[in-house]
Amino acid sequence: ETGVTQSPTHLIKTRGQQVTLRCSSQSGHNTVSWYQQALGQGPQFIFQYYREEENGRGNFPPRFSGLQFPNYSSELNVNALELDDSALYLCASSSTEEYTYEQYFGPGTRLTVT
Amino acid sequence: GEDVEQSLFLSVREGDSSVINCTYTDSSSTYLYWYKQEPGAGLQLLTYIFSNMDMKQDQRLTVLLNKKDKHLSLRIADTQTGDSAIYFCAESIRKRYSSASKIIFGSGTRLSIRP
Repeated sequence: ETGVTQSPTHLIKTRGQQVTLRCSSQSGHNTVSWYQQALGQGPQFIFQYYREEENGRGNFPPRFSGLQFPNYSSELNVNALELDDSALYLCASSSTEEYTYEQYFGPGTRLTVT
Repeated sequence: GEDVEQSLFLSVREGDSSVINCTYTDSSSTYLYWYKQEPGAGLQLLTYIFSNMDMKQDQRLTVLLNKKDKHLSLRIADTQTGDSAIYFCAESIRKRYSSASKIIFGSGTRLSIRP
């Protein structure tokens, strides 16, 4: 059983640019959630994808968007990057078949916006 | 509302017990979690408790839940240097009649161990 993987591990972008982060779900999981963790803070829920559709969203602007693919992997896209977007982005996969709603987290992608 | 609060720092002597406290606001939470994050690493689920339970013990970890006061605590017995990390309290919120769920995290408690 493979765990949740994310790529890249680190990324440096310039303000105004666009970025795509990728996540591969744990085997057998059909749901992917994305979180933003700013330095010194707890993770903040961005959105969740299930059956290739957005299934819930936190307080993030529309320039944060995502995709889920038939193999349950996912992308997080951020347009018009701002300095405050610098953070660790965590992907978590889960299964609607599991009653504990447990989400399994990947190691994260650290994004730096300059 | 959805809010999870915890103290920012805790320092304990090696071998003592550590108790990390947390309060949450959403009474519809079904599961409550404790995650551990070491420097430069992702989140590791330590333990969870179902909202209709009062206590859960797992080796050195004891979780206590007071649902009336919306208070959750994590006790680590015989604290070791390897326990140094940031500990996040979190609650799972699931929309009624929906598969959508999200986890609300606190800001984390940094546990430091002194010799």
